[in-house]
Amino acid sequence: EVQLVESGGGLVKPGGSLRLSCGASGLTFSSYSMNWVRQAPGKGLEWVSSISSSSYTFYAASVKGRFTISRDSAKNSLYLEVNSLRVEDTAVYYCAKGDKGAFDIWGRGTVITVSS
Amino acid sequence: DIQMTQSPSTLSASVGDRVTITCRASQSITNWLAWYQQKPGKAPKLLIYEVSSLESGVPSRFSGSGSGTEFTLTISSLQPDDFASYYCQQYNTNSYTFGQGTKLEIK
Repeated sequence: EVQLVESGGGLVKPGGSLRLSCGASGLTFSSYSMNWVRQAPGKGLEWVSSISSSSYTFYAASVKGRFTISRDSAKNSLYLEVNSLRVEDTAVYYCAKGDKGAFDIWGRGTVITVSS
Repeated sequence: DIQMTQSPSTLSASVGDRVTITCRASQSITNWLAWYQQKPGKAPKLLIYEVSSLESGVPSRFSGSGSGTEFTLTISSLQPDDFASYYCQQYNTNSYTFGQGTKLEIK
């Protein structure tokens, strides 16, 4: 069974930093693009960042320069370094596998709350 | 960036109804158009990819169609499990955009 499990969320003050992790199992991790998608409380889905199988990285304008996506295929893991956090970054952060222009496998999410 | 506008934002329907949700793109997009279902407190679930391809395990009452800037998700006969939120999503040039969502409620 393919599974994605996120971790690393928490409560952080504005301007703070966190490192999110996503562990993958049941798939050939190195073959797929991997992504982060977030959802603010009571709001819709927002794409955050993607990393290709060749480790090319892409970001939404709202996080570019503050967030860094990376992957470690030896550990079947995806990461998101989030810096200079703002109140508006408060959300559930989902790890998702990319395929066919869509996100076909999702984790359960990890929550970042940015508050003073 | 390409904007995706879904309508309606809320839809009230009954079990057995046929319902359609529309997603309009701010410019013509390729066939990288997907639809998701999300229930409260859960991760989204992929239903349709590449406009009209049904994801494995998704019931055949779900279907997608469209081209250019207008796309639709149709549920042919609503079942109790279908009351949820639905999102469209496009992919273009290493960027993804979601519609704002449609909440499907029981009438």
